[in-house]
Amino acid sequence: QKEVEQDPGPLSVPEGAIVSLNCTYSNSAFQYFMWYRQYSRKGPELLMYTYSSGNKEDGRFTAQVDKSSKYISLFIRDSQPSDSATYLCAANTDKLIFGTGTRLQVFP
Amino acid sequence: GAVVSQHPSRVICKSGTSVKIECRSLDFQATTMFWYRQFPKQSLMLMATSNEGSKATYEQGVEKDKFLINHASLTLSTLTVTSAHPEDSSFYICSASTGAPRGNTIYFGEGSWLTVV
Repeated sequence: QKEVEQDPGPLSVPEGAIVSLNCTYSNSAFQYFMWYRQYSRKGPELLMYTYSSGNKEDGRFTAQVDKSSKYISLFIRDSQPSDSATYLCAANTDKLIFGTGTRLQVFP
Repeated sequence: GAVVSQHPSRVICKSGTSVKIECRSLDFQATTMFWYRQFPKQSLMLMATSNEGSKATYEQGVEKDKFLINHASLTLSTLTVTSAHPEDSSFYICSASTGAPRGNTIYFGEGSWLTVV
């Protein structure tokens, strides 16, 4: 079993839709949870990070962590074509472990 | 935010040769650097953790004699792919941590595309 599981998609939504991206993890020692955005042939950029359980909001992005169910979510409101990218969830203790990434396509 | 620079961004080498990729933290000292590889449409797979002044810690299944990692200073780590083969062709990405590796202390380079012909 992978330590961080993520549906690879692809996920295709119309502009303006609410996008829900999800991951599960198996290692209860994980404390920090991150979402990265990666455009094609580029390094990942940090979107959101949370420590332990709870919600965190930043503009159109909301990250949720439920440690009881080992579930990580990222919500994107009012999605834009420029949001089209691969979104990777990650978790860490002393090293960062990534999910497989979900490819998102937002069409006009 | 902190900047991590990788060089070269793209390299083509002949099978059997060695190629070195550099990872530099430009405006901070990185006690820990990480090396990942990513195949097309796949996730980032951690290859090794590099600590300044000590030997790198390799993940299971990664050949330490093939992927040589050197972290000689607090701002530079290098990955050398020795005796490269076409199956080593991949996207290699480094990241650097400004302190204890946590979500907001890890910064990624732009990656290096290696093609072995």
